[in-house]
Amino acid sequence: DAGVTQSPTHLIKTRGQQVTLRCSPKSGHDTVSWYQQALGQGPQFIFQYYEEEERQRGNFPDRFSGHQFPNYSSELNVNALLLGDSALYLCASSPSGRGYTFGSGTRLTVV
Amino acid sequence: AQSVSQHNHHVILSEAASLELGCNYSYGGTVNLFWYVQYPGQHLQLLLKYFSGDPLVKGIKGFEAEFIKSKFSFNLRKPSVQWSDTAEYFCAVNVGSNDYKLSFGAGTTVTVRA
Repeated sequence: DAGVTQSPTHLIKTRGQQVTLRCSPKSGHDTVSWYQQALGQGPQFIFQYYEEEERQRGNFPDRFSGHQFPNYSSELNVNALLLGDSALYLCASSPSGRGYTFGSGTRLTVV
Repeated sequence: AQSVSQHNHHVILSEAASLELGCNYSYGGTVNLFWYVQYPGQHLQLLLKYFSGDPLVKGIKGFEAEFIKSKFSFNLRKPSVQWSDTAEYFCAVNVGSNDYKLSFGAGTTVTVRA
């Protein structure tokens, strides 16, 4: 058990649609980061949320947005889906930004 | 641009053999270094991490890594692998105190033959 819960585990969407992925951090963790892992590659940082605000952002377009709730859980939203958005999306939580614990991920397939 | 390089894409070895996976990074300042493992069908798990102090770091499951600052390297080692070490291994770097992201290498798939 990773302690970080992500939902759903799998998702199939059509090009142009929008998707929302959810993450519940490990108990005691207040920081949530999102990563995209394409097949055969290492995870790529999308953004990190702390105190309900985006603290740092990676090199991803504005189609990728997020939110953190007062209970520290988080959502990742992707608009206008492209085929290239197909990937495993990972959520990682940490106590104040260090020592990350990863969830099992959401496998997104865009057709 | 910041980058993390893992030397081997796929390593195949027999049980009881020694394992060493290379990792180099391209940052010149203070770094925090990590090795993660992803067993088939499971989530990324932290094997070990280096923030400061003794450059030889011991992690879980008998793994260790050595930080060599002059070589910008953080290689992972295990003296004697088991079949259960079959997994994908990722090196990751976090730079300085105001950078919260982990920059990952492409990963090395390790297959241990019984």
